[in-house]
Amino acid sequence: DSGVTQTPKHLITATGQRVTLRCSPRSGDLSVYWYQQSLDQGLQFLIQYYNGEERAKGNILERFSAQQFPDLHSELNLSSLELGDSALYFCASSTRTQETQYFGPGTRLLVL
Amino acid sequence: KNQVEQSPQSLIILEGKNCTLQCNYTVSPFSNLRWYKQDTGRGPVSLTIMTFSENTKSNGRYTATLDADTKQSSLHITASQLSDSASYICVVSSGNNRLAFGKGNQVVVIP
Repeated sequence: DSGVTQTPKHLITATGQRVTLRCSPRSGDLSVYWYQQSLDQGLQFLIQYYNGEERAKGNILERFSAQQFPDLHSELNLSSLELGDSALYFCASSTRTQETQYFGPGTRLLVL
Repeated sequence: KNQVEQSPQSLIILEGKNCTLQCNYTVSPFSNLRWYKQDTGRGPVSLTIMTFSENTKSNGRYTATLDADTKQSSLHITASQLSDSASYICVVSSGNNRLAFGKGNQVVVIP
């Protein structure tokens, strides 16, 4: 158990819909990262927040957005969902940006 | 072109044997290199993290090496066990908070 929690574990929805994935980092960790992992792709970095502020942006689509709240939990919002958005979405946290990241168990999203 | 290339893409090894996974990168500037182990359907777990000045780092039966001059790293698994079956991901961090991920080495250990 990494100490990072993600909800929900599984999510099935239809194209065009909007979903919110939630992540609670390890106690004391200020950095939160979001990743997407499709079957045929490796881990794709989406976005990083540090203490409530956006720190780095990766391959995140405009239909996706995220935020980190004052209690340091984070949410990833996916809108206008497409079939290709079906993937595992991981959240990770670390104490500081260059430190080891601890990954959550992931949210498996299936868009039908 | 991916900034982190891993090889072989996949391999099958007999339980008890050793194996070595390769990671070549072009990321610059370099900050650190990490190896993660990811079991199927689960989140990656950190094995090692090495900075520019470190040549080797061990974590149990896993030993990572780093040659920052040639921009190569390897992960050696000694006396493999069935539980070593997983994807091993090489991640290189640059100084500007950028992370570059390899696609992983898929290892299958058979009895």
